[in-house]
Amino acid sequence: DTEVTQTPKHLVMGMTNKKSLKCEQHMGHRAMYWYKQKAKKPPELMFVYSYEKLSINESVPSRFSPECPNSSLLNLHLHALQPEDSALYLCASSQEPLAGDPYEQYFGPGTRLTVT
Amino acid sequence: GQNIDQPTEMTATEGAIVQINCTYQTSGFNGLFWYQQHAGEAPTFLSYNVLDGLEEKGRFSSFLSRSKGYSYLLLKELQMKDSASYLCAVRILLSSGSARQLTFGSGTQLTVLP
Repeated sequence: DTEVTQTPKHLVMGMTNKKSLKCEQHMGHRAMYWYKQKAKKPPELMFVYSYEKLSINESVPSRFSPECPNSSLLNLHLHALQPEDSALYLCASSQEPLAGDPYEQYFGPGTRLTVT
Repeated sequence: GQNIDQPTEMTATEGAIVQINCTYQTSGFNGLFWYQQHAGEAPTFLSYNVLDGLEEKGRFSSFLSRSKGYSYLLLKELQMKDSASYLCAVRILLSSGSARQLTFGSGTQLTVLP
C-alpha cells in the first residue's frame, strides 16, 4: 500500500467557519507533511511532523493548526481563514530520511479549499 | 536561502526526446528529486539523485552535477500522457542531522504535441 489518502476532496468554507482536513497513510512512514499549492505554482511547505512531533513550521499563520494524533494520521484545523487561503492542500509522507537516503515523499490527492 | 530555477514551459513532439534543466543554489544540499504533476493531481515521484551522474529509469533519466548546481530530467520516446508539470525539488540537510525539508522549483509545463 503506497497510498496517502486525504479527505475531503473539496471544501468550501466561509471566513468564520471552523473545518478540518484529514490525511492518512499506512506505509509506516514517520515523517508527514502539509503543503499549500496555488494554481500554476509549486507546492510550498507548511508543516513537518517527525515521529508525531512538530519539527518544522514554515511561519504559517495561526489560523492553520496542525495535529498528528498518531503515526498514521495528520490533521489540519482551519479557523477564520481568508479568501487568499484558497488553494490545494497536499499531504505527504515519507520514511524518516537520514543523509543520503532517497526516501521520497508520497503525496495524497489533495483537498481543494475555497474560502468565501 | 535557496534558489531553484527551471524553464516555465517547453513543447515537444510525440516520440521525441526532451531535456528539462534545473539549476539550484542552496546550503546543506542532500539530494535532488524530480516529480511529475498532472493538472489537478498530486505530484508523483520520478527520480532521485544525490551523487553526481546519471540515473536511468525506463524512459526517464536524471542527471546531477553538484559542483555546478545543475540537474536535468531527460524524457525519451515522448507520449501524449507525458504532458504535465515537471517539478525539480531540492532536499536540504537540517542541523539536527535529519533531511526532511524539500523545496520545489516553480515547475516546467511540458506540452507534447501529436
